[in-house]
Amino acid sequence: AQSVTQLGSHVSVSEGALVLLRCNYSSSVPPYLFWYVQYPNQGLQLLLKYTSAATLVKGINGFEAEFKKSETSFHLTKPSAHMSDAAEYFCAVSSGGSNYKLTFGKGTLLTVNP
Amino acid sequence: GAGVSQSPSNKVTEKGKDVELRCDPISGHTALYWYRQSLGQGLEFLIYFQGNSAPDKSGLPSDRFSAERTGGSVSTLTIQRTQQEDSAVYLCASSLVATRGLGTDTQYFGPGTRLTVL
Repeated sequence: AQSVTQLGSHVSVSEGALVLLRCNYSSSVPPYLFWYVQYPNQGLQLLLKYTSAATLVKGINGFEAEFKKSETSFHLTKPSAHMSDAAEYFCAVSSGGSNYKLTFGKGTLLTVNP
Repeated sequence: GAGVSQSPSNKVTEKGKDVELRCDPISGHTALYWYRQSLGQGLEFLIYFQGNSAPDKSGLPSDRFSAERTGGSVSTLTIQRTQQEDSAVYLCASSLVATRGLGTDTQYFGPGTRLTVL
């Protein structure tokens, strides 16, 4: 079985500040991990994914995430928030024989204040 | 088309009616997925197609839900005798293949169909 926990359903930062969105996963086998972003009334867009290559993964729009096996974490960061980053962010995991199936966290709504 | 498209974008129906939701995947994508996004449950996997067959239907909530895919392209999700708890956004995604050597192939999502059951 696999699961994802996103700590903080709502994160608020100032423009230019560091963005840190937390994700912890549970998986009995090596996982594949993803971050998706959802803008209002739109579908999900892939930000980045970890597939057992480099542990530090760089994605679009200046985001990156680091896979830490010892902490079972895959936190998303961006050094400097922009107003356009305001959206909902979802962490997802897939693993094992059903590695086509994404299991999502509950999501974190990011607000960026001017 | 350039991306995954879904229709209708919004659907309001009365309890007990049947509804059909349509998904057009990205051209050439052999794998297709349906997910449901609701306030109480978040994002849940419903069903996965590889070509026209559905190896995994484990996420379908009840036998009122069914899906088919024809010609390896368009998919239809049907909900019979809709209930208020079926109200949600239904998301479709497609990928080139279901899995690759490095794991899950990237799933590209459509904008979703917002279903409201009165």
